[in-house]
Amino acid sequence: EPEVTQTPSHQVTQMGQEVILRCVPISNHLYFYWYRQILGQKVEFLVSFYNNEISEKSEIFDDQFSVERPDGSNFTLKIRSTKLEDSAMYFCASSEGAFQGRGDQPQHFGDGTRLSIL
Amino acid sequence: AQSVTQLDSQVPVFEEAPVELRCNYSSSVSVYLFWYVQYPNQGLQLLLKYLSGSTLVKGINGFEAEFNKSQTSFHLRKPSVHISDTAEYFCAVTRHWGATNKLIFGTGTLLAVQP
Repeated sequence: EPEVTQTPSHQVTQMGQEVILRCVPISNHLYFYWYRQILGQKVEFLVSFYNNEISEKSEIFDDQFSVERPDGSNFTLKIRSTKLEDSAMYFCASSEGAFQGRGDQPQHFGDGTRLSIL
Repeated sequence: AQSVTQLDSQVPVFEEAPVELRCNYSSSVSVYLFWYVQYPNQGLQLLLKYLSGSTLVKGINGFEAEFNKSQTSFHLRKPSVHISDTAEYFCAVTRHWGATNKLIFGTGTLLAVQP
């Protein structure tokens, strides 16, 4: 069964440094997402991406965050200047959906990247 | 806006006993409902979903859930649990229509199956 893959599985970074988290969504999927889960808390939506642009972002997704689909297969999340509170598990997800806006296509998640900011 | 409440943060249960994990949601618009499972150090795996039709939906690993519109609930059940069912279970909703179908998650319930 096709799956979403994320690299690295664990990233340790000094505060203030830039970090890029990488994801390879399922190949025929059209919608891409990033979520994060701070230790002991619930999974929170960060951003969704469709047709090479952000379709929605949460209040967490401020100017320090950006997403990109650089080559048609990878989907990246960049944090420009990391803060201690960015420490979390970051999940990438993708879904089908040839019909924009319809929410019935389940999202498939990767195993996550654990980001630790020192 | 949508919200999801999972009142039980942890549910201990003995192996082969039945279990119910509770989920209630709030939304001013129609939503689809999902249950995801997270095993230790893994991502989220879809257990089951309610889109429309029969209010009782069956998922993987013997789990089922019942959608109750009047009570805005979507409780997850299994008649007989195994040690391997020990995991975190998340209830989630998404709007029928919108700019994006982002998932809104509950806080999760840790199912701890004891021998």
